Amino acid sequence: GAVVSQHPSWVICKSGTSVKIECRSLDFQATTMFWYRQFPKQSLMLMATSNEGSKATYEQGVEKDKFLINHASLTLSTLTVTSAHPEDSSFYICSARTLASTDTQYFGPGTRLTVL
Amino acid sequence: QKEVEQNSGPLSVPEGAIASLNCTYSDRGSQSFFWYRQYSGKSPELIMFIYSNGDKEDGRFTAQLNKASQYVSLLIRDSQPSDSATYLCAVNVGATNKLIFGTGTLLAVQP
Repeated sequence: GAVVSQHPSWVICKSGTSVKIECRSLDFQATTMFWYRQFPKQSLMLMATSNEGSKATYEQGVEKDKFLINHASLTLSTLTVTSAHPEDSSFYICSARTLASTDTQYFGPGTRLTVL
Repeated sequence: QKEVEQNSGPLSVPEGAIASLNCTYSDRGSQSFFWYRQYSGKSPELIMFIYSNGDKEDGRFTAQLNKASQYVSLLIRDSQPSDSATYLCAVNVGATNKLIFGTGTLLAVQP
C-alpha cells in the first residue's frame, strides 16, 4: 500500500520551455502532496505543500510563478516548471500523505530534469 | 543552527556489524520522527517512524528517541552490503506537519 508514482521519470528539455511533472497516489487518497527538489549530494528541500482543491503553499525563496502546482484531485498533483533554465536542472520528488496518517509521507520515484 | 543535523559520513562498518546513525533536532515541539533510506539516484524510502521516547524495533532496525536530549538514532543490526545507502533523518515541524530533512549520513557496509 501507499504507492506514489511520478511521470516522467526523466526529462531533457531546452532552455525556455516548460515541463510538467505528474505525481499520483495509486492506492490511496492524498489530501496533501509535497514537492521537493534535490541537488546532487544535498538533502531534500521542500518547495511547496499542495492541498487538494486549494492553492499551494510555497516555501520561502521558491517562485510560485515559475513552479506552478495544481492539485485537482485526491490522487493527482502536477508541478510545471515554466521557462526552465539550466539552473532548474535537479531531481524533483513528490510525496503524499494518506488520510489515515497525518504526518507520514510516502515518496514517488522522482523525476530527473535536465535543462540544456 | 540547522533544524536537523546528521553527520554526513561516510560511516563504514563491516558486514554483520551494527551500524549506528544519529540525528539531533532543534524544535522541541516536534512530535514525529522518521528515518528514510535513499539509494544513489533514487527517491527516499521510509524505514521507520517513532513518536514516543524509547526504542522501537522492526526487524533488523531499531529507532531510538530521546526528546529531552532532542536526539533520535537508528541502529541497523547484522548490516548487509545492500544496506549501503544514505540515511535521512526527518522531523515533523510543529503544527505545519512539514518534514524537515537532515543532510543524511552515507553508510557503507564492507563485505
